[in-house]
Amino acid sequence: DTGVSQDPRHKITKRGQNVTFRCDPISEHNRLYWYRQTLGQGPEFLTYFQNEAQLEKSRLLSDRFSAERPKGSFSTLEIQRTEQGDSAMYLCASSLGWDFLYNEQFFGPGTRLTVL
Amino acid sequence: SQQGEEDPQALSIQEGENATMNCSYKTSINNLQWYRQNSGRGLVHLILIRSNEREKHSGRLRVTLDTSKKSSSLLITASRAADTASYFCATDLNTGGFKTIFGAGTRLFVKA
Repeated sequence: DTGVSQDPRHKITKRGQNVTFRCDPISEHNRLYWYRQTLGQGPEFLTYFQNEAQLEKSRLLSDRFSAERPKGSFSTLEIQRTEQGDSAMYLCASSLGWDFLYNEQFFGPGTRLTVL
Repeated sequence: SQQGEEDPQALSIQEGENATMNCSYKTSINNLQWYRQNSGRGLVHLILIRSNEREKHSGRLRVTLDTSKKSSSLLITASRAADTASYFCATDLNTGGFKTIFGAGTRLFVKA
């Protein structure tokens, strides 16, 4: 399977715990995105990377969220001191190239986080 | 906040009918994309239209873009039950970066 993969697919945690999610993009893709989606809503942009550089981060993202893409390949998203409001589906997507006019994104299956 | 707003929020049609969904956005864009999300499945890219294009076709899909009105429409012709899904428009903002903003989606139900 050469698509975007995410791990784990489901995570249940207690409020106050830290969680980390992993995303493996399509291998030749330079750009990687993280989104959060709640029921009945569209994906909400969190951050994106161009290779290993994190170029933009949503203002909605609190300091409890951090993302890395250390070698420009896989990425991790960490949430510290989780809150019940963090419960959502966390989606990762990757896209190929440098062309700012063309940015088809390929999405992974998502990690569903439940904070008790 | 979400840049794209789809209309209608929900749409129910009979198999074989056409479905039209609209999207409005607020700021200058590089391109506009439409995605589909089936219940329990991931987001799938359907079509991308660049800011200098006005119309694009892909199979049974037709997308139009009117940058003067900051709006786009997605037409699905001869709908099938398998087209039942949520459809989202997404815009890449013209900020020099690649921030992509999704709307809240149109939920389409195609009755067999």
